[in-house]
Amino acid sequence: EAQVTQNPRYLITVTGKKLTVTCSQNMNHEYMSWYRQDPGLGLRQIYYSMNVEVTDKGDVPEGYKVSRKEKRNFPLILESPSPNQTSLYFCASSLGQGLGTEAFFGQGTRLTVV
Amino acid sequence: AQKVTQAQTEISVVEKEDVTLDCVYETRDTTYYLFWYKQPPSGELVFLIRRNSFDEQNEISGRYSWNFQKSTSSFNFTITASQVVDSAVYFCALSTSTDSWGKLQFGAGTQVVVTP
Repeated sequence: EAQVTQNPRYLITVTGKKLTVTCSQNMNHEYMSWYRQDPGLGLRQIYYSMNVEVTDKGDVPEGYKVSRKEKRNFPLILESPSPNQTSLYFCASSLGQGLGTEAFFGQGTRLTVV
Repeated sequence: AQKVTQAQTEISVVEKEDVTLDCVYETRDTTYYLFWYKQPPSGELVFLIRRNSFDEQNEISGRYSWNFQKSTSSFNFTITASQVVDSAVYFCALSTSTDSWGKLQFGAGTQVVVTP
């Protein structure tokens, strides 16, 4: 089954404790990205990757890191989480054949930083 | 700059009523795509429709219909004869040639509450 898998689904952590949210897709998609969803703001792009070893900032990259060492995986790293990073996070992938390609989303990771 | 506005924060209806969700977008690009996604209470994002800027035909899929009007930069979504299962947050999104081509610019979302 074609899917994007994020882990964990829920995470509560303390300020400053490094964490990684994993994202993996099995569709051989080139384009992957991370979004955060906040009330009243919709989803905003954090980082994206157009292929292996090619990553770039989205609209809200501060406090986050990513890497793309393999085509299928695109982890999101919070080196020193802060309470303002409490949010619902989504990983997405798309085939990368140009504008308008359908994005497939993971199930979401609800992160709480206390 | 690309922008999507969903002015309705929440809409409450009784089952079987019709509900229309507004979506207004801003872009200077002539080539772009518009999307609607549904987020049920379980939290996942469900793709509903994609429409490119050169196709202004309205679309109907079961109880769902979409009205795309470039003249008013709107891409509105109507649920006919709503059901409790339609209760969800609905997002309108825009993808343009100015942004990285996989990027989606989302609106704030509209919460639809359908009561029996």
